[in-house]
Amino acid sequence: EVVLTQSPATLSLSPGERATLSCRASQSVSSYLAWYQQKPGQAPRLLIYDASNRATGIPARFSGSGSGTDFTLTITSLKPEDFAVYYCQHRSSWPLTFGGGTKVEIK
Amino acid sequence: EVQLVESGGGLVQPGGSLRLSCAASGFTFSSYYMAWVRQAPGKGLEWVSSLSGSGASTYYTDSVKGRLTISRDNSKNTLYLQMNSLRNEDTAIYFCAKPFRGNGDFHSWDYWGQGTLVTVSS
Repeated sequence: EVVLTQSPATLSLSPGERATLSCRASQSVSSYLAWYQQKPGQAPRLLIYDASNRATGIPARFSGSGSGTDFTLTITSLKPEDFAVYYCQHRSSWPLTFGGGTKVEIK
Repeated sequence: EVQLVESGGGLVQPGGSLRLSCAASGFTFSSYYMAWVRQAPGKGLEWVSSLSGSGASTYYTDSVKGRLTISRDNSKNTLYLQMNSLRNEDTAIYFCAKPFRGNGDFHSWDYWGQGTLVTVSS
């Protein structure tokens, strides 16, 4: 089973700042990594699939990079609606797994 | 417009059973793997099970093997999760989810239902 470790657990930033979230896999997942945003009481929202492809309707301030075992989600210039929990998820093999999440909170 | 609507959640005693349903619309249902993902209260996301468009291939996380069964009825555009021998640790919101692409193994999800809450408690 691929274990995904996200860091940091919590990121305290102000609107307008840049957020850099990390996801590390216990073994290579090639580029088969996705990022989701989840707000309280809502279903997750797909942001990035296959490491660097923005999903439909996702603003350009969200970008993903990485391959193999190390991945990054970058949010340039945080907007108030971006404060949420972010999860990574791989699809390289069964079982599919998620990371534990990074909470981006307002400083 | 893609829509996924789950139903069937509720309160059940340990050892009991429930069947969840997910009614899909707005896309060619039979062309897509579909999945169930759950989230325990205050916790992160956990993939539970996936099923191929034809229904021929099924996958489960280890903790539910032998107790939960995924199935689908493509004539009704509906996904199911039969839940037997339920445990306290199965308490969660259960989401059904559609992959971002069909006709292949694209197991990341761009559409999700609103979720249905399953509570296992005596």
